[in-house]
Amino acid sequence: EAGVTQFPSHSVIEKGQTVTLRCDPISGHDNLYWYRRVMGKEIKFLLHFVKESKQDESGMPNNRFLAERTGGTYSTLKVQPAELEDSGVYFCASSADRGNEAFFGQGTRLTVV
Amino acid sequence: EDQVTQSPEALRLQEGESSSLNCSYTVSGLRGLFWYRQDPGKGPEFLFTLYSAGEEKEKERLKATLTKKESFLHITAPKPEDSATYLCAVGKNYGGSQGNLIFGKGTKLSVKP
Repeated sequence: EAGVTQFPSHSVIEKGQTVTLRCDPISGHDNLYWYRRVMGKEIKFLLHFVKESKQDESGMPNNRFLAERTGGTYSTLKVQPAELEDSGVYFCASSADRGNEAFFGQGTRLTVV
Repeated sequence: EDQVTQSPEALRLQEGESSSLNCSYTVSGLRGLFWYRQDPGKGPEFLFTLYSAGEEKEKERLKATLTKKESFLHITAPKPEDSATYLCAVGKNYGGSQGNLIFGKGTKLSVKP
């Protein structure tokens, strides 16, 4: 069974540009999460989808971040325009029913220069 | 405020030298306490979930325990391949269903042969 897959694995963009990260969860997992780890800090929650609906987006830092989950399958996280402080590793995770453990992808390392 | 604190930040052991990692937490609406292992350049890999004080779980050389305020990850006779960053996270309830994880900064474990 395929795990959580994220694309790209690395991205280097200039300040002011747009970047879109993609996450393919484990098939059948209704819950999809986005997390971020910036340098020296802990992994922090951004957003939670249940199927195609946003269950909790309290961790989204500002309106430059837009997450979508089309048809309850894969998800994208767009940063527009990117700022220097957006640099970090973005993780996607998915889980099945409530209470189950979340499985993480390998992450996308975003560097804004 | 919800918080997860892990100690020590880094731990160096000789192969076969047993030790424990600590995770203390304060959170409202605890859904469970999770331990993950993270290798460089990879996403967190699920190890254990603990739900109630007094619960214990084991996997190979690892044993996780839980009290009302903290969790311990005991490593017995570690091997070099146990070297990794160990992450503790607490799960929150969100409207009665599965919510996000709050992570600690992790403990970086190095096991020398």
